[in-house]
Amino acid sequence: AQSVSQHNHHVILSEAASLELGCNYSYGGTVNLFWYVQYPGQHLQLLLKYFSGDPLVKGIKGFEAEFIKSKFSFNLRKPSVQWSDTAEYFCAVTGTGNQFYFGTGTSLTVIP
Amino acid sequence: DVKVTQSSRYLVKRTGEKVFLECVQDMDHENMFWYRQDPGLGLRLIYFSYDVKMKEKGDIPEGYSVSREKKERFSLILESASTNQTSMYLCASSGWGQGYEKLFFGSGTQLSVL
Repeated sequence: AQSVSQHNHHVILSEAASLELGCNYSYGGTVNLFWYVQYPGQHLQLLLKYFSGDPLVKGIKGFEAEFIKSKFSFNLRKPSVQWSDTAEYFCAVTGTGNQFYFGTGTSLTVIP
Repeated sequence: DVKVTQSSRYLVKRTGEKVFLECVQDMDHENMFWYRQDPGLGLRLIYFSYDVKMKEKGDIPEGYSVSREKKERFSLILESASTNQTSMYLCASSGWGQGYEKLFFGSGTQLSVL
């Protein structure tokens, strides 16, 4: 079975700091990769996705992620975080089946 | 935009009760999913369904069952609720083919089993 690892469980940053959240997956075949975000009190929503093509993917709100196939990684980045980015971030992967496999999530707190 | 509606936002039940969690989506999606979300454990798949009357076990199906009698509705059933089933339950749907694109989530049901 596929698995997804998010190594940072809780990250605290000051506003304007740069962000990088790690995500590694275990599946060796063709994958689709996602980052989802859950703002406090809201439902999960898609931040960005990778299917094929350019491994550097840009999403909403200034986020981007880079797919590095050799490292089985799909790290999320943002050059300058804002207080409104405080949320929980989930990496997810799908392979040949219909299932989405999620990581355990990273809680980001941005201090004004 | 796709809407995934879960019938209850908060639910409190007693140990041993039978619990029904309902989910409805309005975009004619084939695939529907039930997850539970627990702190430090992320989202874990309980069951999913890729068509009416079809169901597949996810990673943690024990203690749960599901029903998909109509395409738009996917129900999660706790046959005899236990305290370790206290959790946030999330329903999601996705379309076929290009619809792998993303999951659409409901707002969740916070279930407390006393």
